[in-house]
Amino acid sequence: QQPVQSPQAVILREGEDAVINCSSSKALYSVHWYRQKHGEAPVFLMILLKGGEQKGHDKISASFNEKKQQSSLYLTASQLSYSGTYFCGTGEIKAAGNKLTFGGGTRVLVKP
Amino acid sequence: DAGITQSPRHKVTETGTPVTLRCHQTENHRYMYWYRQDPGHGLRLIHYSYGVKDTDKGEVSDGYSVSRSKTEDFLLTLESATSSQTSVYFCANGQSHSGTIYFGEGSWLTVV
Repeated sequence: QQPVQSPQAVILREGEDAVINCSSSKALYSVHWYRQKHGEAPVFLMILLKGGEQKGHDKISASFNEKKQQSSLYLTASQLSYSGTYFCGTGEIKAAGNKLTFGGGTRVLVKP
Repeated sequence: DAGITQSPRHKVTETGTPVTLRCHQTENHRYMYWYRQDPGHGLRLIHYSYGVKDTDKGEVSDGYSVSRSKTEDFLLTLESATSSQTSVYFCANGQSHSGTIYFGEGSWLTVV
């Protein structure tokens, strides 16, 4: 069962903030965030491991609440380059082979 | 960087014909994966490998087989292509059990 991402789409003006959520019904070991531009491969942004840590990459940060099996991706002071589809991939505690299950994606459009 | 080369990048084939997609890595990573991406479904795991000749099924494995005779190569075969297998296929690799995975550039397959 794939994790659920919300919202499905968001439109921002340059400089605005947004939050993307990823929720799973399974016990998670890790959450991985990717961004994909149209016609290109998903690009790795960051990984969060169980422990409730928060990470940042430029003005994009994320948190992982292992008790709730939820992760949130924060886009701060968005730039035009942030446009794309964001996917969370979840790694389950009991899964073998480091398989990731991906959410359906959140489409982000940043306008000037 | 995944260090992955996928071939062919684009292919049109007829229903009922066999098709093989090749994934070649230069990174010598232990884990390799095949995902397919379709509108509304995100990325779904077809098969994965955790070593030479060690493979296992993902969530959408019906109609697909894989082989890994060398660390660097992971082949995906559609035994008898169907229109429902029209999709974008991404190969990915990963180094450790709990680390993230990196995607290749994708192979666009159209079955007519």
